[in-house]
Amino acid sequence: QSALTQPASVSGSPGQSVTVSCTGTSSDVGYYNFVSWYQQHPGKAPKLMIYDVNNRPSGLSDRFSGSKSGNTASLTISGLQADDEADYYCSSYTRSSTYVFGTGTKVTVL
Amino acid sequence: EVQLVESGGGLVQPGGSLRLSCAAYGFTFSDYWMHWVRQAPGKGLVWVSRINSDGRSTDYADSVKGRFTISRDNAKNTLYLQMSSLRAEDTGIYYCTRSRSGGQDYWGQGTQVTVSS
Repeated sequence: QSALTQPASVSGSPGQSVTVSCTGTSSDVGYYNFVSWYQQHPGKAPKLMIYDVNNRPSGLSDRFSGSKSGNTASLTISGLQADDEADYYCSSYTRSSTYVFGTGTKVTVL
Repeated sequence: EVQLVESGGGLVQPGGSLRLSCAAYGFTFSDYWMHWVRQAPGKGLVWVSRINSDGRSTDYADSVKGRFTISRDNAKNTLYLQMSSLRAEDTGIYYCTRSRSGGQDYWGQGTQVTVSS
């Protein structure tokens, strides 16, 4: 199972919006609405940001939103803040009853 | 408060074995599917395995199938990962996670596994 494809890096200024893409296939992202997104700060465990394409865990800022079109899912961070600087990973359930993570994207706040 | 606490990591020679444990606190462990996810040094996340709530159904990544076994003891609120025939590429931090629909909502702090001679 190949990793989902994400851009290596995206950047934006404070207050701006950035979007991270996640491209899979018709056997994972395109087949199920089981796409999730994780934020990971250096040396820390990942944190769930979005699950089932566009659902936020309770208490999470609404500046984070998710969407999907075909085989590509997206995470949008609006009103970018310094603490948003981190690595972001997407993940999808697959038709093989396994999960696959994305290659990871470093979000930089300029 | 939900907590997942991994243990059992360490240095092991290639071809060796290791058993990881994950103690769960703050929720009804027997109600949830659970996963193991690993991360090699400086690399991305890789899903390893999952187990259903009663332990009767398991799934594995192709890279570990036949070498790793996931299991759980609901009476002890503990998840396990038995790893054998370990390879250098199995080196990394191993995270225990709780399943929530299509995602994983709680993660432990991880335990380091190093496979080296």
